Amino acid sequence: RKEVEQDPGPFNVPEGATVAFNCTYSNSASQSFFWYRQDCRKEPKLLMSVYSSGNEDGRFTAQLNRASQYISLLIRDSKLSDSATYLCVVNPRNSGGYQKVTFGIGTKLQVIP
Amino acid sequence: DGGITQSPKYLFRKEGQNVTLSCEQNLNHDAMYWYRQDPGQGLRLIYYSQIVNDFQKGDIAEGYSVSREKKESFPLTVTSAQKNPTAFYLCASRRLAGNTAGANVLTFGAGSRLTVL
Repeated sequence: RKEVEQDPGPFNVPEGATVAFNCTYSNSASQSFFWYRQDCRKEPKLLMSVYSSGNEDGRFTAQLNRASQYISLLIRDSKLSDSATYLCVVNPRNSGGYQKVTFGIGTKLQVIP
Repeated sequence: DGGITQSPKYLFRKEGQNVTLSCEQNLNHDAMYWYRQDPGQGLRLIYYSQIVNDFQKGDIAEGYSVSREKKESFPLTVTSAQKNPTAFYLCASRRLAGNTAGANVLTFGAGSRLTVL
């Protein structure tokens, strides 16, 4: 089983739609979680951190379910500019002093006019 | 402004040549990372370093080498032993400070696109 798994998509949704992505992780001791956005041929950029209590930033909501070991990203009222690949990032707890950051493969979103 | 600078942005190499990709950060971050991304694929970890003069192999270290002589710098050498080096290379860094705000958040450079001719 991969450490971090995401559905690669693509998710093709009309403007204004609500879309949700999930990301599952295998290491139950994982400590921190993030969603990144990557545009075509660009570097990933932080979209939002994911907190245990869930958090919201405008049209974006992130949630963490430790019991089922997944995080989710909900995008409401999709815009054309939301078209990108969304990467799930999981940080483990310290293990021997080294922290290896693990990325999911990314979920591609295409918002259609 | 603080950030991570990667150079060159584009690089063409002949087979059998070693090339070095530069990564410099002025964020005072502790840890630095090199990732490789191939078309339609996720990021794969090559090497990472949490302190000066120490680094660890990632998932695909074969054919690559790094050094961490200064906190700000983490160059990656793609050697001739790397069989399929054409890819998009991303350098990242982050502050390791427990649960403080902003800690553990990775910041990326703009990437270096290497093509082997």
